[in-house]
Amino acid sequence: EIVLTQSPGTLSLSPGERATLSCRASQSVGSPYLAWYQHKPGQAPRLLIYGASSRATGIPDRFSGSGSGTDFTLTISRLEPEDFAVYYCQQNGSPPITFGQGTRLEIK
Amino acid sequence: EVRLVDSGGGLVKPGGSLRLSCVGSGFTFNTYTMNWVRQAPGKGLEWVSSITSGSSHIHYADSVRGRFTVSRDNARNSLFLQMSSLRADDTAVYYCARATPDFDSWGQGTQVTVSP
Repeated sequence: EIVLTQSPGTLSLSPGERATLSCRASQSVGSPYLAWYQHKPGQAPRLLIYGASSRATGIPDRFSGSGSGTDFTLTISRLEPEDFAVYYCQQNGSPPITFGQGTRLEIK
Repeated sequence: EVRLVDSGGGLVKPGGSLRLSCVGSGFTFNTYTMNWVRQAPGKGLEWVSSITSGSSHIHYADSVRGRFTVSRDNARNSLFLQMSSLRADDTAVYYCARATPDFDSWGQGTQVTVSP
């Protein structure tokens, strides 16, 4: 099983600032199989990034993904109020599919 | 518009059973792998099970293997999760999700509570 470790656990920032979220895998993940999701309370999770760096349909360009192998990053260039949520990375290339434990992005 | 509607959750006693359903619309259901994902209170997302378009490949998380059974009825655009021998730690919101292989569409979730 591929274990995904996200850091930090909580990130406190202000609107307009840049957010950098990390996801580290216990073994190499093929780039096509690394995704990022945003999850807000009471809502379904939303796919942000697939294939490590491709934005999903309708996702603003302030969201970007990068990385390969075991180290991946989600960057939000300028935080908007609606961006404060929990973010999860996921690998879907090797069963069992696994999620990271999440990074909570909160308003400072 | 792609839409997934989860249903079937509720309150059940430990050791009991429950069957969740997910109905898809707005896409060709029988060409997609489908998944179940859950979120326990105060916890993160946990993948539960996946089933390929023709039901030929099925996978389960270790935490549910032998107790949960996933199935689908492509004629009715429906996905199911039969849950048995339920435990308190199965309490969660359960979501169905379409795989591309990323989970690009999700149901709204259905609450399952396992309690005496």
